[in-house]
Amino acid sequence: EDKVVQSPLSLVVHEGDTVTLNCSYEVTNFRSLLWYKQEKKAPTFLFMLTSSGIEKKSGRLSSILDKKELFSILNITATQTGDSAVYLCAVPSSGTYKYIFGTGTRLKVLA
Amino acid sequence: IAGITQAPTSQILAAGRRMTLRCTQDMRHNAMYWYRQDLGLGLRLIHYSNTAGTTGKGEVPDGYSVSRANTDDFPLTLASAVPSQTSVYFCASRGHLNTEAFFGQGTRLTVV
Repeated sequence: EDKVVQSPLSLVVHEGDTVTLNCSYEVTNFRSLLWYKQEKKAPTFLFMLTSSGIEKKSGRLSSILDKKELFSILNITATQTGDSAVYLCAVPSSGTYKYIFGTGTRLKVLA
Repeated sequence: IAGITQAPTSQILAAGRRMTLRCTQDMRHNAMYWYRQDLGLGLRLIHYSNTAGTTGKGEVPDGYSVSRANTDDFPLTLASAVPSQTSVYFCASRGHLNTEAFFGQGTRLTVV
C-alpha cells in the first residue's frame, strides 16, 4: 500500500531559527513529490520534485529529494512568524492521478 | 471565477439530511478531487475524477457520491449526513499528470 509519512508532527521554534521538515514515502512507479503550505484555508503549492539531488529554492525555503532513500526534506532558514503553518507532503499514487498526502507537520514560529 | 471555487464556505446540517457541496474550476483541468481534512488525519481522498464522465473511489468514499457531467463541475453529495462527516472538505483540480493540484478554499461542514 502506498504511503507518505511526515515528521515531526509538530514543531515550535523562535524567529531566526532554521527548521528541517521530513517526508518519507513508499510508492511504486514514483513520479514526483510535492510540498504544500497550509495556513488557515487552502493548501498552497510550494515545490514539485522529480529528480534526486536537485535542490528547489524559493527565498528562504528549499527542498531536495533522495529517490534512493525515498525521502524529501523541506528547509526553512531564518524563520519568521509568517512561516507558521501546516506543511504537507504529497505523492501521486502509482500510475494514477490520485495524490496521497502525509498528515503534515505543524510549524509554529514564536516572535 | 478565477481558479477553483467551492460553495458553501460553511454549513451546519442536521443528521439525516441530504447535502451537496459544489466545486467549480475554470482552468479546464482534467482531474478533480474531493478531500476531507480532519485533525491528526491529514487530507484523505474521498472521490476523484480523471476526466469528465468518469469517477473513482478514494480512501474514504462511504456515505459520499460524486458526478462529473462536464469538465468544470464536480459536486460532492452526502445522501444522509452523519456526525462523523463533520469535517473540512477541499476540492482540488489538476491539469497534466506531472503538475501540481490547485485547491479550493474549503467547506467547513458540521453535522449535528
